[in-house]
Amino acid sequence: DVKVTQSSRYLVKRTGEKVFLECVQDMDHENMFWYRQDPGLGLRLIYFSYDVKMKEKGDIPEGYSVSREKKERFSLILESASTNQTSMYLCASSFRGATNEKLFFGSGTQLSVL
Amino acid sequence: QQQVKQSPQSLIVQKGGISIINCAYENTAFDYFPWYQQFPGKGPALLIAIRPDVSEKKEGRFTISFNKSAKQFSLHIMDSQPGDSATYFCAARAWKLVFGQGTRLTINP
Repeated sequence: DVKVTQSSRYLVKRTGEKVFLECVQDMDHENMFWYRQDPGLGLRLIYFSYDVKMKEKGDIPEGYSVSREKKERFSLILESASTNQTSMYLCASSFRGATNEKLFFGSGTQLSVL
Repeated sequence: QQQVKQSPQSLIVQKGGISIINCAYENTAFDYFPWYQQFPGKGPALLIAIRPDVSEKKEGRFTISFNKSAKQFSLHIMDSQPGDSATYFCAARAWKLVFGQGTRLTINP
């Protein structure tokens, strides 16, 4: 089975801190994604990557950056955390070009910014 | 801008009943419509999906009904069970997936 592993289940940070969320997948997927999940808003795409060192902005990239130095690892960076970034963050991966694309999600990181 | 609108936000159904969740979209370029199921403490997982060239797809107790002219699609869960209690997301894809707002489904025993 595909496994998408997120480094932390819960994280508490202070306003202004730099925050790193790490995600690793073990199925050699080309595509990787970062979403945030908020009640009533569903899943919103922050950034995605189709290949190593490539990144594309999603729907809500402001305040975030990403890094993909290796195919299996995709990091989300909050340069200066703010309280409105308190959320559940979900990483996902998929095969490139799949006709019926199936996203495999990690279990999420619940980030609280105080 | 929410391109996929999902309703209701929450739904309570008695065991054995039919659960129905609806989604509407605007972008006619969407060519793939999956539903994801998320249990507490877990990430979403693909449940069932449909392409717009068919009007219905059934997998066990789960059925997607698709109305291309109305730009609507829905998930029906027959004989709903307490184990179906979860959050359900519809989605649609043109070049990337766009998710609906989610529906928290509770099945009462």
